[in-house]
Amino acid sequence: SQQGEEDPQALSIQEGENATMNCSYKTSINNLQWYRQNSGRGLVHLILIRSNEREKHSGRLRVTLDTSKKSSSLLITASRAADTASYFCATGPTGGFKTIFGAGTRLFVKA
Amino acid sequence: GAVVSQHPSWVICKSGTSVKIECRSLDFQATTMFWYRQFPKQSLMLMATSNEGSKATYEQGVEKDKFLINHASLTLSTLTVTSAHPEDSSFYICSASSVQSSYEQYFGPGTRLTVT
Repeated sequence: SQQGEEDPQALSIQEGENATMNCSYKTSINNLQWYRQNSGRGLVHLILIRSNEREKHSGRLRVTLDTSKKSSSLLITASRAADTASYFCATGPTGGFKTIFGAGTRLFVKA
Repeated sequence: GAVVSQHPSWVICKSGTSVKIECRSLDFQATTMFWYRQFPKQSLMLMATSNEGSKATYEQGVEKDKFLINHASLTLSTLTVTSAHPEDSSFYICSASSVQSSYEQYFGPGTRLTVT
């Protein structure tokens, strides 16, 4: 079962622009993670934000978490063609630790 | 960092045969392993959760007699797709976690199964 919804489903931008992806979820969580997946490949873990955190940075990535709205956003600044991939949010619910994935956003960065 | 491997990375089999996929945690003891399935252009769907030494817990809609999961040791879990059919063709990904990793999950590279 999936509990995360992401928008947009697809995003096409020019190199150098910022890309913002949003994720909403339904139940209480322990943490929320963002992953990248290149076509037909495995997952790359990008960042984990815990439920008591509101914002986290890692290089060109900025993740926010609003537990009152049950939502998170991933911002990629100064995008590059190599950022072209699918991005998934995944939630670790309270009381357990199985991770449930959102539907994903397909990002295409044009050079 | 923690490394999880899968074998094979891809497999082609004939309809009706069974296929076994291995998931190994290479540098840590995984008390729990998860199996996901991903169809083209779709997200990862959790199939089952397996704890070392006990029976796997399957998600709703996943046939436990078709997808046999064994987690016999702290470093190895196997998924066997029995009597595979073309609709079982998919990308299968495992992940592993442990108390030592603060339950953070580490994902394997995936196995692409094609049933002809």
